Amino acid sequence: GNSVTQMEGPVTLSEEAFLTINCTYTATGYPSLFWYVQYPGEGLQLLLKATKADDKGSNKGFEATYRKETTSFHLEKGSVQVSDSAVYFCALMPSGGYNKLIFGAGTRLAVHP
Amino acid sequence: NAGVTQTPKFRILKIGQSMTLQCTQDMNHNYMYWYRQDPGMGLKLIYYSVGAGITDKGEVPNGYNVSRSTTEDFPLRLELAAPSQTSVYFCASSGDSNNEKLFFGSGTQLSVL
Repeated sequence: GNSVTQMEGPVTLSEEAFLTINCTYTATGYPSLFWYVQYPGEGLQLLLKATKADDKGSNKGFEATYRKETTSFHLEKGSVQVSDSAVYFCALMPSGGYNKLIFGAGTRLAVHP
Repeated sequence: NAGVTQTPKFRILKIGQSMTLQCTQDMNHNYMYWYRQDPGMGLKLIYYSVGAGITDKGEVPNGYNVSRSTTEDFPLRLELAAPSQTSVYFCASSGDSNNEKLFFGSGTQLSVL
């Protein structure tokens, strides 16, 4: 079946530190991969996506590369800000599946000044 | 733009009561979804719809019902509330091209006591 595994949080960093949040997946076929972010009290919003192997998604300084050989889609940012504090969800969208998403458990990031 | 609107934002129910969570979107999206988010867990799909008059079960449909009489609205019905249904509920919508991002509402926090 399809599933997503994320590193457990919380992740606590100082401002300007380097961020990595690990994500691995199990899927049949050729899924698309996504990172969504949830700020306190809000719904999820798309951060970035990649639809095929070796694609790199990027947005707001965040990057993730679709690695089919390691079934991974790790999220990285070179220098985090306090405003990046949120919960980050890795998700996969199976091919031909009406855009249904399968989510990881989420990783809470706290950035301190 | 309003996007996806959910009501109410908060609700407390007694065991055995019923209620309807409302969801409406103004983007003319065919695809709509209901997810629940339990503490420390990722989102789980309850029901989804690919167009007016068409609904289907997701991963955790037991105890819920949905209808889709219009493109805009996708209400979620709880008939006999149980403590296990205490959760945060998110409605989402997407266009019907492949790999479209989902737009999420801000959520309904439901407690069943």
